Amino acid sequence: AQSVTQPDIHITVSEGASLELRCNYSYGATPYLFWYVQSPGQGLQLLLKYFSGDTLVQGIKGFEAEFKRSQSSFNLRKPSVHWSDAAEYFCAVGVSGGYQKVTFGTGTKLQVIP
Amino acid sequence: SQTIHQWPATLVQPVGSPLSLECTVEGTSNPNLYWYRQAAGRGLQLLFYSVGIGQISSEVPQNLSASRPQDRQFILSSKKLLLSDSGFYLCAWINIERVSDNEQFFGPGTRLTVL
Repeated sequence: AQSVTQPDIHITVSEGASLELRCNYSYGATPYLFWYVQSPGQGLQLLLKYFSGDTLVQGIKGFEAEFKRSQSSFNLRKPSVHWSDAAEYFCAVGVSGGYQKVTFGTGTKLQVIP
Repeated sequence: SQTIHQWPATLVQPVGSPLSLECTVEGTSNPNLYWYRQAAGRGLQLLFYSVGIGQISSEVPQNLSASRPQDRQFILSSKKLLLSDSGFYLCAWINIERVSDNEQFFGPGTRLTVL
């Protein structure tokens, strides 16, 4: 069975600073990988996804993520954080076939300070 | 375009009372549907999924149940709520015509507090 680990529960960065959120997955084959963002009291919005091809994936809101098979990682990055990026971020791994099960990590809460 | 609705948005219920949360999807046909629960600091836990009308699969044993009476309607129920049922409940769907995408679209969620 697949699993996802987000080792950082909470991260604080200054506005304008760069950001990297870590994600490690466990799955026997090439996974489908996702990053979602959740604002307080809201549903989840997809930032970006990786299925195959180029290992550097561009998403919305200036985010990108890099798939590194050798490290089983899919870290999310942004070169300059804005105050509006404060939210909770979830990494997820998907498995095609059957009912397309998606397993989520426990999330990383991002705080942005002025 | 497709949209997903959940209601109510918030709910406060006493222990032992029944529960009914509703999720509806518009603008698509025959979606896969999912119910998740999000408890503080625990990420998203998949509760139920459905690949068609009347077809429900449960991921974890619990006192909740789900039903899919119509193609685009997914209901989460309980006969008697427990304190541990408190949480944020999210409905999601996948467009099976784009199944290779595997992308789930989420509703706005329902905040349930059991007192």
